[in-house]
Amino acid sequence: QVQLQESGPGLLKPSETLSLTCTVSGDSLSDYYWSWVRQPPGKGLEWIGYVYYSGNTNYNPSLKSRVTISVDTSKSQFSLRLSSVTAADTAIYYCARVSTLWEGGRFDPWGQGTLVTVSS
Amino acid sequence: QSALTQPPSASGSPGQSVTISCTGTSSDVGGYNYVSWFQQHPGKAPKLMIYEVNKRSSGVPDRFSGSRSGNTASLTVSGLQAEDEADYYCNSYADSNNWLFGGGTKLTVL
Repeated sequence: QVQLQESGPGLLKPSETLSLTCTVSGDSLSDYYWSWVRQPPGKGLEWIGYVYYSGNTNYNPSLKSRVTISVDTSKSQFSLRLSSVTAADTAIYYCARVSTLWEGGRFDPWGQGTLVTVSS
Repeated sequence: QSALTQPPSASGSPGQSVTISCTGTSSDVGGYNYVSWFQQHPGKAPKLMIYEVNKRSSGVPDRFSGSRSGNTASLTVSGLQAEDEADYYCNSYADSNNWLFGGGTKLTVL
């Protein structure tokens, strides 16, 4: 059974860079996309971007200038970096596995999420 | 790209049916067969319920069903139960290999 676990700092100051890691257990990273999704407190879900196990990436156009997602298959991890954060980036950040479109484009499973707060 | 449009709330009594809509465009919901629905209980991660418009994820009761007409997808919950009370989000593949989520619908079981 595949499990995902987010880790990283929970408190940042404005202008700093958010760095989170998602550790995958129970399966390899091969043949899947690995995605980050965030949810501001009390609000809806927002897709941030994904990395394919081969390293190819795609990002939400609204965040593209600040986002980098990378993968380390040897460690079964993928990571998110979001630069120049502001209070608007305060959210629960989830990592999720995404199957190929051939397999339905399913966001499943998800990590439990980690709250990142941006405050001076 | 704009988020998909969902009603902020929906409700029904136990045993009744309720339908939640998700409206997009021909560049997302109406253009691809990759619409999913997620259930999220308070403090929990989203759970995949429906994918590819109308396929139930493993273990999801057949009370949950999905459909689509044009640029609008729908999730129907039949035989409402108390545990169905949650937030529901739609999700769609979109042009340029992007993904969109809806704003979410809070389902209340009266």
